[in-house]
Amino acid sequence: GENVEQHPSTLSVQEGDSAVIKCTYSDSASNYFPWYKQELGKRPQLIIDIRSNVGEKKDQRIAVTLNKTAKHFSLHITETQPEDSAVYFCAALSNNAGNMLTFGGGTRLMVKP
Amino acid sequence: DGGITQSPKYLFRKEGQNVTLSCEQNLNHDAMYWYRQDPGQGLRLIYYSQIVNDFQKGDIAEGYSVSREKKESFPLTVTSAQKNPTAFYLCASSISFGNTIYFGEGSWLTVV
Repeated sequence: GENVEQHPSTLSVQEGDSAVIKCTYSDSASNYFPWYKQELGKRPQLIIDIRSNVGEKKDQRIAVTLNKTAKHFSLHITETQPEDSAVYFCAALSNNAGNMLTFGGGTRLMVKP
Repeated sequence: DGGITQSPKYLFRKEGQNVTLSCEQNLNHDAMYWYRQDPGQGLRLIYYSQIVNDFQKGDIAEGYSVSREKKESFPLTVTSAQKNPTAFYLCASSISFGNTIYFGEGSWLTVV
């Protein structure tokens, strides 16, 4: 089945700096890649997603890039703010895995004021 | 996301008891899911249902049971066979299987 690895597991940045979280996946048939943000004690919320026919997608301060050849995708947050502090999960959906969504292990992002 | 309601938000279970977590959605979604999250850890799939009257085991189904008798409801029972049930339980749904998943607010289960 699909295997998704997420790095780094923790990331600390200064407010205003950029943050980048990277995920690699194993199944070349994966075609949908969402990112979720989970604040402490709350539910994961979808913040951005990308499909395999697109290389990059942006929404204000966040962007996701996809490299199908290398089988990795990344979340970019610019001008980070303290409220960006949370755990971020990437995921990949593979037709070969029965259309199951496989999650990465998560990245704890801390934005220091 | 506001269309997925989980209850109760907090639940305490005594040793040997079965408890049931409720999940209701008014989004008209076909697929529903249950995930378990241990403190500081990732999301693990317990059970999923692609359509009413059908459900499949996920990665950690042992000690859990589900039913899907109505499209909008997917309750999870944590049985006494689950030896370490203390965790945060998340219900989720998607318009159809293989589409974007949206999560409910979660239920905290603690064994006392």
